[in-house]
Amino acid sequence: AQSVTQPDIHITVSEGASLELRCNYSYGATPYLFWYVQSPGQGLQLLLKYFSGDTLVQGIKGFEAEFKRSQSSFNLRKPSVHWSDAAEYFCAMDSSYKLIFGSGTRLLVRP
Amino acid sequence: EAGVVQSPRYKIIEKKQPVAFWCNPISGHNTLYWYLQNLGQGPELLIRYENEEAVDDSQLPKDRFSAERLKGVDSTLKIQPAELGDSAVYLCASSSDSNTEAFFGQGTRLTVV
Repeated sequence: AQSVTQPDIHITVSEGASLELRCNYSYGATPYLFWYVQSPGQGLQLLLKYFSGDTLVQGIKGFEAEFKRSQSSFNLRKPSVHWSDAAEYFCAMDSSYKLIFGSGTRLLVRP
Repeated sequence: EAGVVQSPRYKIIEKKQPVAFWCNPISGHNTLYWYLQNLGQGPELLIRYENEEAVDDSQLPKDRFSAERLKGVDSTLKIQPAELGDSAVYLCASSSDSNTEAFFGQGTRLTVV
């Protein structure tokens, strides 16, 4: 079955530290992959997307993600986290023109 | 340019009452989606429109949920009657077509008491 897994429910990092959020997918081919961020009471904002080509993709707000076919992963990274990055992060995969989302990872940032 | 606009932002109703949500997509976007987001989970697709045609409503509980997209622009999602388990956030999204990224509205948080 097609699915997206985000194994970490919560992650806490100190401000200025690096960040990596994990995402694994299950799909028969190379999917279109996305990372969205959701702040409290807000909708989803697209951080970055992977369709094809270069496996390291750059997004907004200093985020990047790397597609690894061999590991069926699309992990999100940021070299230095800011307090404003505290939010819920969702990895998603396009399947038949609809998005399948993971259950999300809540990022907490320590001052 | 305005993004996807949804209203109301919050709604509290008693069970068995009807409720409706409204969505205005980004101008020129032909594809419109309604997603359901339960607490602590990722969104799940309810229905997808291409212009005024519902092309994927396989996840819409048709016994109590209905949707329409008149003239291929605005859309309304209705629940009648609402149940306690319908308490969730209802997100609307749009894209220029099915092959491009979706832009989401702020959602409507429904509480059924």
